[in-house]
Amino acid sequence: DTGVSQNPRHKITKRGQNVTFRCDPISEHNRLYWYRQTLGQGPEFLTYFQNEAQLEKSRLLSDRFSAERPKGSFSTLEIQRTEQGDSAMYLCASSLSGTLNGYTFGSGTRLTVV
Amino acid sequence: TQLLEQSPQFLSIQEGENLTVYCNSSSVFSSLQWYRQEPGEGPVLLVTVVTGGEVKKLKRLTFQFGDARKDSSLHITAAQPGDTGLYLCAGATKAAGNKLTFGGGTRVLVKP
Repeated sequence: DTGVSQNPRHKITKRGQNVTFRCDPISEHNRLYWYRQTLGQGPEFLTYFQNEAQLEKSRLLSDRFSAERPKGSFSTLEIQRTEQGDSAMYLCASSLSGTLNGYTFGSGTRLTVV
Repeated sequence: TQLLEQSPQFLSIQEGENLTVYCNSSSVFSSLQWYRQEPGEGPVLLVTVVTGGEVKKLKRLTFQFGDARKDSSLHITAAQPGDTGLYLCAGATKAAGNKLTFGGGTRVLVKP
């Protein structure tokens, strides 16, 4: 297993366009998390899944954001009608529930909305 | 709502010096983790502490979890340029499903 994989690494889009990011977690991990990080700040929680169930969504996640994990494996995060304030690094992480082994993060997708 | 405060926000030191980063909260955590992040990459786990008063050492890094499990510190001895990065603490509580809440990070720059 090569760890958590995120695609694309970078995305530049025009304001108002829709974007979709993909995350492939470590295969044995049943939990998958999405975080958002702006420059010089710590990651902010967006949402997480246990298997295919979305267990929690942050109030930061407006109606323009949606995440799915249809088969309990990879996940997608879609942002509709992007705004300049959506520019950030979007990080995906996975872990095994019931353990304290910590999260394994991907390298992130850096979104720039122009 | 959990809130993790890290201090200082930025630290610049010369190679060979020691440094300490602090992580404080009013919440009690079931576990606390430290991560290091380099530009353009995701955070990488350094250590997990779970017991109040616990001290863990990882080569030149020493991590301490407060007795009340509300605070933690990271101490680096004889810092090297390779220690440069963003250090993040993150806490989990059972009530929150062991979901991690991150502090704002401490940016460390070790100059040769």
